[in-house]
Amino acid sequence: NAGVMQNPRHLVRRRGQEARLRCSPVKGHSHVYWYRQLPEEGLKFMVYLQKENIIDESGMPKERFSAEFPKEGPSILRIQQVVRGDSAAYFCASSLNKAATNEKLFFGSGTQLSVL
Amino acid sequence: RKEVEQDPGPFNVPEGATVAFNCTYSNSASQSFFWYRQDCRKEPKLLMSVYSSGNEDGRFTAQLNRASQYISLLIRDSKLSDSATYLCVVIKAAGNKLTFGGGTRVLVKP
Repeated sequence: NAGVMQNPRHLVRRRGQEARLRCSPVKGHSHVYWYRQLPEEGLKFMVYLQKENIIDESGMPKERFSAEFPKEGPSILRIQQVVRGDSAAYFCASSLNKAATNEKLFFGSGTQLSVL
Repeated sequence: RKEVEQDPGPFNVPEGATVAFNCTYSNSASQSFFWYRQDCRKEPKLLMSVYSSGNEDGRFTAQLNRASQYISLLIRDSKLSDSATYLCVVIKAAGNKLTFGGGTRVLVKP
C-alpha cells in the first residue's frame, strides 16, 4: 500500500528548536500540499509544491516556515524556532495532477507537533 | 467572513434518523465542491464530490445551490459508524488548493 507517508507521526519539540516534517507522496505523484489543523479547527492550506518548485505558498507564515520538494526524496516542511502556537496536526496530501477539478487528493496520516 | 463556513455542531442524531447540514462559501467563482470525512483527528478522507445536479451515494446525498452559494449533505438511516466530522471543501475556479470548512461534527447515538 504505497499511500502518502508522513513521519514522524508525533513530534515533540521545546520552544526555540527546529521541527522537520517529512512527506513521501504516492508513487508517481508530483503535486504535494501541506495543511495545518489547529485543535477544534478545520484544515488550513499552507503550501502547494510541484517537484522542485513552490507553486503557492499563500498560506505559509512569512517567518520561520519553509517547504521544499526536491527532485529526489520526500517533501519537507521545516519550522524554525518553534513556539507553542505551532502545536498542531500537519497533514500532507498528494495528487497526480493539479487538484483543479475533481482530482482526488490522497492524504497522509499527519504529524502531530507538540511544542513544550 | 470565512471563505467556507460550517455549523460546527455537534448534531446529535438517533440511530436510523436522517440528518442534513449545509456549508456556505463566499467566492462565487468556486468551481468544485466536495465532502470529506474526518475521524478523531485522523486524515480527511473523500466522502463524495458534489455535482451541480446533485448526487447520491448510498445513504448520502449531496446538493449544490450556486445561487445561494451553499452545498448540503444529507445522511439517511444514520449508522453509529457515521459519527465523524464532515468537512466541506471548495476549489476556486482558477485555484489549485482545497479550502476546507471548519467541519460539522455528527454524533449518532443508539
